[in-house]
Amino acid sequence: DAGVIQSPRHEVTEMGQEVTLRCKPISGHDYLFWYRQTMMRGLELLIYFNNNVPIDDSGMPEDRFSAKMPNASFSTLKIQPSEPRDSAVYFCASSPGTAYGYTFGSGTRLTVV
Amino acid sequence: AQKVTQAQTEISVVEKEDVTLDCVYETRDTTYYLFWYKQPPSGELVFLIRRNSFDEQNEISGRYSWNFQKSTSSFNFTITASQVVDSAVYFCALSSFNTNAGKSTFGDGTTLTVKP
Repeated sequence: DAGVIQSPRHEVTEMGQEVTLRCKPISGHDYLFWYRQTMMRGLELLIYFNNNVPIDDSGMPEDRFSAKMPNASFSTLKIQPSEPRDSAVYFCASSPGTAYGYTFGSGTRLTVV
Repeated sequence: AQKVTQAQTEISVVEKEDVTLDCVYETRDTTYYLFWYKQPPSGELVFLIRRNSFDEQNEISGRYSWNFQKSTSSFNFTITASQVVDSAVYFCALSSFNTNAGKSTFGDGTTLTVKP
């Protein structure tokens, strides 16, 4: 298996633009997580899905952020409009379930200028 | 509520020293799982180990060992004869079936620097 695949690896965008981050989880993993990591705030859980259904989105910072999982093999995290404070590394992770660890993607480094 | 505390924010050692990273957890569940992850300077997050709450046997993998003690709610990680390549941020995490099943609670991480 190729692991969790995230794209793009790097994204530089101007403030106000829409940004879409993509994630392909490992086949057979029922859980998918979106995390954000910054120096100031550390690793933050934004949202997670179980069997394509959002379970907890309490970590989504504001309405500018949205996430979807239209099928078991694809998820997106969208920021519209983007702001400089959204600059961070965004990780996607998947897991077979509670008793298992996460497999993280390589992350998307987002820079909003 | 579940909580994971990694009290050591940063640790610096000289190569070949042994180092222990502390992890203390809180949960009301009787069945739970504990994990360690490594994030080297390259940035990826890598799963290292999983333990379940019914298995208190210590585990050793090469220079790495893990000490799980339910009596003190701790799951500590020891690196023996540390090497520069061990420099990374290490995260401890906890999950259980009864509290937010599927989701892990992460500690804030411990940054380990191993100097040559």
